Amino acid sequence: NAGVMQNPRHLVRRRGQEARLRCSPMKGHSHVYWYRQLPEEGLKFMVYLQKENIIDESGMPKERFSAEFPKEGPSILRIQQVVRGDSAAYFCASSPRGQLNSYNEQFFGPGTRLTVL
Amino acid sequence: AQSVSQHNHHVILSEAASLELGCNYSYGGTVNLFWYVQYPGQHLQLLLKYFSGDPLVKGIKGFEAEFIKSKFSFNLRKPSVQWSDTAEYFCAVIVGAGSYQLTFGKGTKLSVIP
Repeated sequence: NAGVMQNPRHLVRRRGQEARLRCSPMKGHSHVYWYRQLPEEGLKFMVYLQKENIIDESGMPKERFSAEFPKEGPSILRIQQVVRGDSAAYFCASSPRGQLNSYNEQFFGPGTRLTVL
Repeated sequence: AQSVSQHNHHVILSEAASLELGCNYSYGGTVNLFWYVQYPGQHLQLLLKYFSGDPLVKGIKGFEAEFIKSKFSFNLRKPSVQWSDTAEYFCAVIVGAGSYQLTFGKGTKLSVIP
């Protein structure tokens, strides 16, 4: 059973370009979460999605960032007009159910390291 | 907002030494606590978690953690580390029942010298 897949693993963009980060959840998981880890910081929650729905985007910057999880295909985190401050590791996690408890956990992907030149 | 503090940025130990990594959180209500590990080049993996019951939690690979509510702490321990434990360790918390937003500490890098 394959784990959470993220691609690309490394992405280099120049300022002003767009970055598209992909996340394929584990088989059978319909809940996806995106986290960002800035240099020297812990992971911070960005957004929680279920198929075709954004459940909670309270951690997402208001501008330039968007996320989707279509009925078919991977979840996409899109960053428009990237700036140097967007350089970070972006982690995706998936779970079979939304609430974390003794029987449910979030499984993380390997992350995408975005570098903005 | 809740926060998670990990006291040590980088810990260096010799094999067979005992390990204790500190973790404190800043929320007075119901919390659930986690330790994750990230081995070099790999994804985050769950080591152990605490939701209720015995405050001494045993996880995978010989790790354990103790929840001390009065100290707002959830320290990770292992009696004897191995070179293969070299990794980065993250403490995380969720607040309240029914939550899904993990709040992570900055992580502690552990280097084990053979």
